[in-house]
Amino acid sequence: AQSVAQPEDQVNVAEGNPLTVKCTYSVSGNPYLFWYVQYPNRGLQFLLKYITGDNLVKGSYGFEAEFNKSQTSFHLKKPSALVSDSALYFCAVKGAEGGANNLFFGTGTRLTVIP
Amino acid sequence: DGGITQSPKYLFRKEGQNVTLSCEQNLNHDAMYWYRQDPGQGLRLIYYSQIVNDFQKGDIAEGYSVSREKKESFPLTVTSAQKNPTAFYLCASKQAEWRGGRSDTQYFGPGTRLTVL
Repeated sequence: AQSVAQPEDQVNVAEGNPLTVKCTYSVSGNPYLFWYVQYPNRGLQFLLKYITGDNLVKGSYGFEAEFNKSQTSFHLKKPSALVSDSALYFCAVKGAEGGANNLFFGTGTRLTVIP
Repeated sequence: DGGITQSPKYLFRKEGQNVTLSCEQNLNHDAMYWYRQDPGQGLRLIYYSQIVNDFQKGDIAEGYSVSREKKESFPLTVTSAQKNPTAFYLCASKQAEWRGGRSDTQYFGPGTRLTVL
């Protein structure tokens, strides 16, 4: 079975500080991993994805994520947070080789950047 | 939100009514998806379609119906059988699995917020 866990419902960080939003996953075989961001009353915007290759993936708006196979994690990071980064963040996974054709989403982490 | 449009943005439904949510895409994607979003529950898959004239139930299909008569369009009908339809509904599309799109990104529309009066 495929699943995603985002252990923190809420993350608060001061503007200018580094931020981390955590994600762990469970999937048979190799994973495809995605991060999306959602602003209030809007659809999800794609940030970045891991397919294969380099474990550090760089995405939009200065975000990056590190794939860690041994810890089955794909944490989202940014070196210096902006107030405009405040939003709801979703991690998603699907199996690379088979199984369900759809994405499985975590429950989301609300990031608040404090000025 | 790319080339995916959803209408209306806000929709109000009376008890016992069926309502249809529109989703159109101009990305030439074969696969389209409908999700329901409730606070604290993330996104749950209602229906998906990999090709015209074919669709599959997702995890929470009861009380919903879809059609896929055109590649560009994937309307969702919320029927009176759906007991708790108040939610935010999101449509998405991507390149289909059968076209080698397994790792491709899903792109989302702006959403429709449905409220039952």
